Amino acid sequence: NAGVMQNPRHLVRRRGQEARLRCSPVKGHSHVYWYRQLPEEGLKFMVYLQKENIIDESGMPKERFSAEFPKEGPSILRIQQVVRGDSAAYFCASSPTTFRSGNTIYFGEGSWLTVV
Amino acid sequence: KQEVTQIPAALSVPEGENLVLNCSFTDSAIYNLQWFRQDPGKGLTSLLLIQSSQREQTSGRLNASLDKSSGRSTLYIAASQPGDSATYLCAVQETSGSRLTFGEGTQLTVNP
Repeated sequence: NAGVMQNPRHLVRRRGQEARLRCSPVKGHSHVYWYRQLPEEGLKFMVYLQKENIIDESGMPKERFSAEFPKEGPSILRIQQVVRGDSAAYFCASSPTTFRSGNTIYFGEGSWLTVV
Repeated sequence: KQEVTQIPAALSVPEGENLVLNCSFTDSAIYNLQWFRQDPGKGLTSLLLIQSSQREQTSGRLNASLDKSSGRSTLYIAASQPGDSATYLCAVQETSGSRLTFGEGTQLTVNP
């Protein structure tokens, strides 16, 4: 998957705990996207970030979820006070600085969150 | 609001068969369309990317077509193999750099 690294790959949290998912994009990519895949459903867009900026967070639940992509370090998707309905696969993707014609988008292998 | 639909939801074929997966989208004002493959427990691998100005793209045994005006794309897989078994996802991008909107996928099983 062209170098998008996500960790942890699998995470188990009890209801009410916090989950932090990390994503390191392909080297040189400054655009990061987070998607969620609920069981038996398709991928749904959550948030689009560039370095230090949130560009589009229209797919992110208003409460308990936040995302950041700092100047240094990976992008973080944070879920506070997790509930069972947060159990899903969370995918990170990255694209080059300029998403030119023909540039594809690269996905990580996902972080599987299970809330018990 | 863009909606992407994939038909069929699941498909099981014998090895060697040629097959077609279908994707439709409601808003024809797209920037590009991509087909991805997803294996169980894995991420997505991009198979083919078709720009809005293009009609088709080919890679090996795969051929994807795009009819933007009718809001349709097809993925043609020739001489299918068991290793092709996976979920195939179609996604559209409406502007450069914007989000992808995905269909729910077609789960393909190729039987030896």
